[in-house]
Amino acid sequence: DTEVTQTPKHLVMGMTNKKSLKCEQHMGHRAMYWYKQKAKKPPELMFVYSYEKLSINESVPSRFSPECPNSSLLNLHLHALQPEDSALYLCASSQFVGGQLSTGELFFGEGSRLTVL
Amino acid sequence: QKEVEQNSGPLSVPEGAIASLNCTYSDRGSQSFFWYRQYSGKSPELIMFIYSNGDKEDGRFTAQLNKASQYVSLLIRDSQPSDSATYLCAVTFNTGGFKTIFGAGTRLFVKA
Repeated sequence: DTEVTQTPKHLVMGMTNKKSLKCEQHMGHRAMYWYKQKAKKPPELMFVYSYEKLSINESVPSRFSPECPNSSLLNLHLHALQPEDSALYLCASSQFVGGQLSTGELFFGEGSRLTVL
Repeated sequence: QKEVEQNSGPLSVPEGAIASLNCTYSDRGSQSFFWYRQYSGKSPELIMFIYSNGDKEDGRFTAQLNKASQYVSLLIRDSQPSDSATYLCAVTFNTGGFKTIFGAGTRLFVKA
């Protein structure tokens, strides 16, 4: 069983809709990530949160808006998406020890498969 | 310049053979090196991580790191059909924040 839980597992939305993807972990990890993965491609980093602060934004369009309300939760707010944004969105977490990444191992959720019509 | 490069394959090996997967990376404060396995329709799962030059063995898997050559490899001994998956090389860089970047992945097929 994965210890990173993502909801919803599937989401279909129109280009004018506003929706959110949610991610939750209870492993005490203080680094959380959003990745986007299209078919037959590797995961592509979007955002990194370290200690609930946004530390990396990989030049992601503003129609994607991340939020980290607390150390266990990570959201990705979606607005005015395009059909090419259809993909699997993966949340991951990893542990810090003494301000440094521990092993750096990423623990992934099962992903939210997004279809934009 | 891509930061993490892999041969996308596919790599096909017979059951019981050794599968050899390779990866090169750009050296921008690279710190940690990982191999993830991803089955179709599933999320990636960690196989091995390695920090220091040399070999690291875990069961049928051996990771090798050569920082001077910026090269990481994964050997899978006694390959099984259940090993058929995409293997993703990943590198963690510290560029003012820690980020993990994946290579394109190598598709491995193990024929029974």
